[in-house]
Amino acid sequence: EVQLIQSGAEVKEPGTTVKISCKGSSYTFTDSYVHWVQQAPGKGLEWMGLVDPENGETTFAENFQDRVTMTADMSTATAYMALNNLRSEDTAIYYCVVSFARGWSWGQGTLVTVSS
Amino acid sequence: QTVVTQEPSLTVSPGGTVTLTCASSTGAITSGYYPNWFQQKPGQAPRALIFSTSNRQSWTPARFSGSLLGGKAALTLSGALPEDEADYYCLLYFGGARVFGGGTKLTVL
Repeated sequence: EVQLIQSGAEVKEPGTTVKISCKGSSYTFTDSYVHWVQQAPGKGLEWMGLVDPENGETTFAENFQDRVTMTADMSTATAYMALNNLRSEDTAIYYCVVSFARGWSWGQGTLVTVSS
Repeated sequence: QTVVTQEPSLTVSPGGTVTLTCASSTGAITSGYYPNWFQQKPGQAPRALIFSTSNRQSWTPARFSGSLLGGKAALTLSGALPEDEADYYCLLYFGGARVFGGGTKLTVL
Protein backbone atom coordinates (compact mmCIF):
# COMPACT_ATOMS: atom_id res chain seq x y z
CA GLU A 1 0.00 0.00 0.00
CA VAL A 2 1.30 3.43 -0.96
CA GLN A 3 2.26 5.51 2.05
CA LEU A 4 2.99 9.22 2.22
CA ILE A 5 4.22 10.53 5.54
CA GLN A 6 4.32 14.30 5.96
CA SER A 7 6.23 16.37 8.48
CA GLY A 8 4.54 17.75 11.56
CA ALA A 9 2.50 20.85 12.26
CA GLU A 10 4.17 24.24 12.07
CA VAL A 11 3.50 27.67 13.56
CA LYS A 12 5.08 30.49 11.62
CA GLU A 13 5.16 34.26 11.82
CA PRO A 14 3.99 36.39 8.89
CA GLY A 15 6.69 37.02 6.31
CA THR A 16 8.62 33.84 7.06
CA THR A 17 8.96 30.57 5.11
CA VAL A 18 7.60 27.12 5.84
CA LYS A 19 9.04 23.93 4.36
CA ILE A 20 7.08 20.68 4.51
CA SER A 21 8.36 17.22 3.65
CA CYS A 22 6.55 14.20 2.26
CA LYS A 23 8.22 10.78 2.28
CA GLY A 24 6.82 8.13 0.00
CA SER A 25 7.04 4.36 0.20
CA SER A 26 5.67 1.23 -1.47
CA TYR A 27 5.73 2.67 -4.98
CA THR A 28 8.29 3.84 -7.50
CA PHE A 29 8.97 7.44 -6.56
CA THR A 30 10.17 8.44 -10.00
CA ASP A 31 7.09 6.98 -11.74
CA SER A 32 4.82 9.56 -10.17
CA TYR A 33 4.06 13.23 -9.88
CA VAL A 34 3.95 14.78 -6.42
CA HIS A 35 1.23 17.39 -6.07
CA TRP A 36 0.66 19.80 -3.21
CA VAL A 37 -2.84 20.88 -2.19
CA GLN A 38 -3.92 23.62 0.22
CA GLN A 39 -7.07 23.46 2.31
CA ALA A 40 -7.87 26.53 4.40
CA PRO A 41 -10.11 26.04 7.44
CA GLY A 42 -13.66 25.20 6.36
CA LYS A 43 -12.78 25.65 2.70
CA GLY A 44 -12.30 23.48 -0.36
CA LEU A 45 -9.19 22.04 -1.94
CA GLU A 46 -6.81 24.20 -3.97
CA TRP A 47 -4.16 22.70 -6.22
CA MET A 48 -0.83 24.47 -5.68
CA GLY A 49 1.44 22.68 -8.11
CA LEU A 50 3.46 19.58 -8.77
CA VAL A 51 7.00 18.31 -9.08
CA ASP A 52 8.18 15.46 -11.29
CA PRO A 53 10.66 13.54 -9.10
CA GLU A 54 12.41 12.07 -12.12
CA ASN A 55 13.71 15.39 -13.45
CA GLY A 56 12.68 18.04 -10.93
CA GLU A 57 10.39 19.84 -13.35
CA THR A 58 7.63 21.82 -11.73
CA THR A 59 4.25 23.27 -12.67
CA PHE A 60 2.59 25.80 -10.40
CA ALA A 61 -0.86 27.28 -10.05
CA GLU A 62 -1.00 31.01 -10.80
CA ASN A 63 -2.02 31.83 -7.24
CA PHE A 64 1.20 30.36 -5.81
CA GLN A 65 3.84 30.58 -8.53
CA ASP A 66 5.58 33.62 -7.05
CA ARG A 67 5.93 32.19 -3.54
CA VAL A 68 6.26 28.40 -3.79
CA THR A 69 9.15 26.03 -4.40
CA MET A 70 8.73 22.30 -4.90
CA THR A 71 11.59 19.82 -4.98
CA ALA A 72 12.10 16.07 -4.80
CA ASP A 73 15.01 13.97 -3.55
CA MET A 74 15.14 10.62 -5.35
CA SER A 75 17.71 9.21 -2.94
CA THR A 76 15.28 9.43 -0.02
CA ALA A 77 11.97 9.33 -1.94
CA THR A 78 11.06 12.60 -0.28
CA ALA A 79 9.34 15.64 -1.76
CA TYR A 80 9.42 19.12 -0.29
CA MET A 81 7.22 22.17 -0.57
CA ALA A 82 8.35 25.58 0.63
CA LEU A 83 6.00 28.56 0.79
CA ASN A 84 7.57 31.93 1.49
CA ASN A 85 6.37 35.36 2.55
CA LEU A 86 3.66 33.72 4.64
CA ARG A 87 0.51 35.64 5.48
CA SER A 88 -2.45 34.83 7.71
CA GLU A 89 -4.46 33.56 4.71
CA ASP A 90 -1.89 30.76 4.31
CA THR A 91 -3.11 29.16 7.52
CA ALA A 92 -4.25 25.81 6.20
CA ILE A 93 -3.65 22.10 5.97
CA TYR A 94 -1.21 21.23 3.21
CA TYR A 95 -1.41 17.81 1.60
CA CYS A 96 1.06 16.03 -0.61
CA VAL A 97 -0.61 13.78 -3.15
CA VAL A 98 0.99 11.41 -5.63
CA SER A 99 -0.47 10.53 -8.99
CA PHE A 100 0.73 7.46 -10.83
CA ALA A 101 -0.52 4.66 -13.02
CA ARG A 102 -2.65 3.12 -10.26
CA GLY A 103 -4.33 6.39 -9.37
CA TRP A 104 -3.80 8.87 -6.56
CA SER A 105 -2.79 8.64 -2.92
CA TRP A 106 -2.84 11.34 -0.25
CA GLY A 107 -0.61 12.16 2.66
CA GLN A 108 -2.09 12.80 6.08
CA GLY A 109 -1.72 16.56 5.81
CA THR A 110 0.37 19.15 7.64
CA LEU A 111 -1.28 22.01 9.52
CA VAL A 112 0.48 25.34 9.07
CA THR A 113 -0.63 28.19 11.28
CA VAL A 114 0.53 31.69 10.42
CA SER A 115 0.27 34.01 13.38
CA SER A 116 2.23 36.77 15.04
CA GLN B 1 -8.66 32.03 -14.74
CA THR B 2 -10.24 28.63 -15.29
CA VAL B 3 -13.18 27.82 -13.03
CA VAL B 4 -14.40 24.30 -12.31
CA THR B 5 -17.97 24.15 -11.05
CA GLN B 6 -19.73 21.53 -8.96
CA GLU B 7 -23.12 21.49 -7.28
CA PRO B 8 -22.62 23.03 -3.82
CA SER B 9 -24.85 20.48 -2.16
CA LEU B 10 -26.99 17.44 -2.97
CA THR B 11 -29.16 15.12 -0.94
CA VAL B 12 -29.84 11.46 -1.63
CA SER B 13 -32.01 8.96 0.20
CA PRO B 14 -30.42 5.79 1.58
CA GLY B 15 -30.40 3.25 -1.23
CA GLY B 16 -30.97 5.93 -3.81
CA THR B 17 -28.95 7.12 -6.78
CA VAL B 18 -27.37 10.53 -7.26
CA THR B 19 -25.11 12.05 -9.90
CA LEU B 20 -22.58 14.75 -9.09
CA THR B 21 -21.24 16.77 -11.98
CA CYS B 22 -18.12 18.78 -12.74
CA ALA B 23 -18.07 21.50 -15.39
CA SER B 24 -15.33 23.68 -16.81
CA SER B 25 -15.53 27.35 -17.77
CA THR B 26 -13.45 26.46 -20.85
CA GLY B 27 -16.18 24.28 -22.37
CA ALA B 28 -17.09 20.63 -22.67
CA ILE B 29 -15.05 18.15 -20.69
CA THR B 30 -13.51 15.26 -22.57
CA SER B 31 -11.37 12.34 -21.45
CA GLY B 32 -8.36 14.54 -22.15
CA TYR B 33 -9.14 16.46 -18.98
CA TYR B 34 -8.52 13.21 -17.04
CA PRO B 35 -11.28 13.87 -14.49
CA ASN B 36 -10.54 12.66 -11.00
CA TRP B 37 -12.91 12.40 -8.05
CA PHE B 38 -12.02 12.57 -4.37
CA GLN B 39 -14.04 12.00 -1.22
CA GLN B 40 -13.40 13.82 2.04
CA LYS B 41 -15.10 13.08 5.34
CA PRO B 42 -14.96 15.53 8.27
CA GLY B 43 -11.59 15.64 9.97
CA GLN B 44 -9.99 13.30 7.46
CA ALA B 45 -7.65 13.67 4.51
CA PRO B 46 -9.29 13.28 1.14
CA ARG B 47 -9.01 9.96 -0.63
CA ALA B 48 -9.20 9.16 -4.30
CA LEU B 49 -12.29 7.43 -5.69
CA ILE B 50 -12.05 7.68 -9.48
CA PHE B 51 -9.15 8.59 -11.77
CA SER B 52 -9.00 9.31 -15.49
CA THR B 53 -12.75 9.62 -15.93
CA SER B 54 -13.94 6.16 -14.93
CA ASN B 55 -11.20 4.09 -13.28
CA ARG B 56 -11.92 3.05 -9.72
CA GLN B 57 -9.15 2.96 -7.16
CA SER B 58 -8.59 -0.51 -5.70
CA TRP B 59 -10.51 0.50 -2.57
CA THR B 60 -13.43 2.22 -4.30
CA PRO B 61 -16.77 0.45 -3.85
CA ALA B 62 -18.50 -0.58 -7.06
CA ARG B 63 -21.48 1.66 -6.21
CA PHE B 64 -19.33 4.62 -7.32
CA SER B 65 -18.84 5.13 -11.04
CA GLY B 66 -17.34 7.89 -13.16
CA SER B 67 -18.33 9.00 -16.64
CA LEU B 68 -18.74 11.89 -19.04
CA LEU B 69 -22.26 13.22 -19.26
CA GLY B 70 -23.53 16.08 -21.38
CA GLY B 71 -20.15 17.82 -21.59
CA LYS B 72 -19.39 17.37 -17.91
CA ALA B 73 -17.56 14.85 -15.79
CA ALA B 74 -19.93 12.89 -13.60
CA LEU B 75 -19.72 10.77 -10.47
CA THR B 76 -22.71 8.51 -9.93
CA LEU B 77 -23.47 6.86 -6.61
CA SER B 78 -25.92 3.98 -6.89
CA GLY B 79 -27.33 2.55 -3.67
CA ALA B 80 -26.20 5.29 -1.30
CA LEU B 81 -25.17 4.32 2.22
CA PRO B 82 -25.05 6.60 5.26
CA GLU B 83 -21.26 6.33 5.21
CA ASP B 84 -21.19 8.00 1.78
CA GLU B 85 -22.12 11.33 3.36
CA ALA B 86 -19.07 13.47 2.62
CA ASP B 87 -17.63 16.25 0.50
CA TYR B 88 -16.74 15.28 -3.05
CA TYR B 89 -14.24 17.13 -5.22
CA CYS B 90 -13.41 16.79 -8.88
CA LEU B 91 -10.01 17.65 -10.32
CA LEU B 92 -9.36 18.43 -13.97
CA TYR B 93 -6.18 18.54 -16.02
CA PHE B 94 -5.50 21.67 -18.08
CA GLY B 95 -2.35 20.88 -20.04
CA GLY B 96 -0.06 20.78 -17.04
CA ALA B 97 -1.95 22.62 -14.34
CA ARG B 98 -4.79 21.02 -12.43
CA VAL B 99 -7.83 22.73 -10.98
CA PHE B 100 -10.21 21.50 -8.30
CA GLY B 101 -13.90 22.11 -8.34
CA GLY B 102 -15.45 23.84 -5.38
CA GLY B 103 -16.78 20.57 -3.98
CA THR B 104 -20.22 19.05 -3.43
CA LYS B 105 -21.51 18.37 0.05
CA LEU B 106 -23.50 15.14 -0.23
CA THR B 107 -26.07 14.40 2.44
CA VAL B 108 -27.58 10.93 2.77
CA LEU B 109 -30.97 11.44 4.36
